Amino acid sequence: EIVLTQSPGTLSLSPGEGATLSCRASQSVYSEYLAWYQQRPGRAPRLLIYGASSRATGIPDRFSGSGSGTDFTLTISRLEPEDFAVYYCQQYGSLLTFGGGTNVEIK
Amino acid sequence: EVQLVQSGAEVKKPGESLKISCKGSGYSFTNNWIGWVRQMPGKGPEWMGIIYPGDSETRHSPSFQGQVTMSVDKSSNTAYLQWGSLKASDSAMYYCARCSDRYWYFDLWGRGTLVTVSS
Repeated sequence: EIVLTQSPGTLSLSPGEGATLSCRASQSVYSEYLAWYQQRPGRAPRLLIYGASSRATGIPDRFSGSGSGTDFTLTISRLEPEDFAVYYCQQYGSLLTFGGGTNVEIK
Repeated sequence: EVQLVQSGAEVKKPGESLKISCKGSGYSFTNNWIGWVRQMPGKGPEWMGIIYPGDSETRHSPSFQGQVTMSVDKSSNTAYLQWGSLKASDSAMYYCARCSDRYWYFDLWGRGTLVTVSS
């Protein structure tokens, strides 16, 4: 089973700042089959990125994904108030697994 | 509207059985795998398994194999997750989610069913 480790656990930032979230896999993720989700309190996760770098329908272009192999990154260029949430990565190249999450909180 | 509608919250006692549901609408239900995801309070999502409504083929997470049963009713566009004997540790939010057309990432989520198991 592929284990996904996200870092940092918590990111404290101000609106307007940029955010860089990391997702590291215990083994190479096949064909960049990696997705990112956003989860706000009391809500279901929402798909942001799939295929490591493709934005899902309706996702603003301030969200971008990159990476390959075992190292992946989600970048939020300028944080809006609604972006403060928890973010999870998920690989789907070998069954499925989720990372433990990064909480982006208001500083 | 394309959506997954999950059944309501449940409160059960240890040892009881339970079946929760997830009804798809607004798309061709049999064409996309449906996944089940557990989320315990304050924790990240955990993938439990996926089922293909077209032929009921399943894939289980090793962590949940033998612990739950997934099924579908094509006639009503509904997927089910069931337990034969609940434990307190099964208390969690359970989400169903639709996989994309070709890959196993989730592009549509239900709102979740909260399951509480307590004596």
